[in-house]
Amino acid sequence: EAGVTQFPSHSVIEKGQTVTLRCDPISGHDNLYWYRRVMGKEIKFLLHFVKESKQDESGMPNNRFLAERTGGTYSTLKVQPAELEDSGVYFCASSPLRTATNEKLFFGSGTQLSVL
Amino acid sequence: KQEVTQIPAALSVPEGENLVLNCSFTDSAIYNLQWFRQDPGKGLTSLLLIQSSQREQTSGRLNASLDKSSGRSTLYIAASQPGDSATYLCAVRYTGNQFYFGTGTSLTVIP
Repeated sequence: EAGVTQFPSHSVIEKGQTVTLRCDPISGHDNLYWYRRVMGKEIKFLLHFVKESKQDESGMPNNRFLAERTGGTYSTLKVQPAELEDSGVYFCASSPLRTATNEKLFFGSGTQLSVL
Repeated sequence: KQEVTQIPAALSVPEGENLVLNCSFTDSAIYNLQWFRQDPGKGLTSLLLIQSSQREQTSGRLNASLDKSSGRSTLYIAASQPGDSATYLCAVRYTGNQFYFGTGTSLTVIP
């Protein structure tokens, strides 16, 4: 079974440019999450999809970040325009619909974003 | 504000030693707590999940405990091996859908 796949693994862009990160969750997982770790800090929640619907986007830093999950399959996270403080590792995670035994999160390897 | 703290930030032990990693959280009204392992350049791998009603979970050489009243969880690793070297993260989930992560403990097991 394929795990959570993220693309690209690394992205280096200049301030003001646009970057789009992609996440392919495990097939059949309705829950999809985006998390971010900036240098030296803990991993922080960005937002949560259930299928194609945004359930919670309280962690999105500002309106330069736009996440979509068309059709309830893969998701994209676009940063436009990118700023220096957006640098960090962006993780995607997925899980089945919540049940007592299926709460584990499955994480991708992350996208290392560097804004210069 | 929910905060998760992991101490120590780094730990180095000789192979074969038993060790304990600590995680503390400020709000005891948790839904569950999960321990993850992260290898360099890789994603997070779930190790153990403890529901709020449980006191501990075991998987092989790993044992995680939960004490909600004191806001603490520990991850015990028995007979450590060089392959256990990684960063260990604990994450706490409350009634919402987001996990709150600690900054992790970087473990090095010396052969």
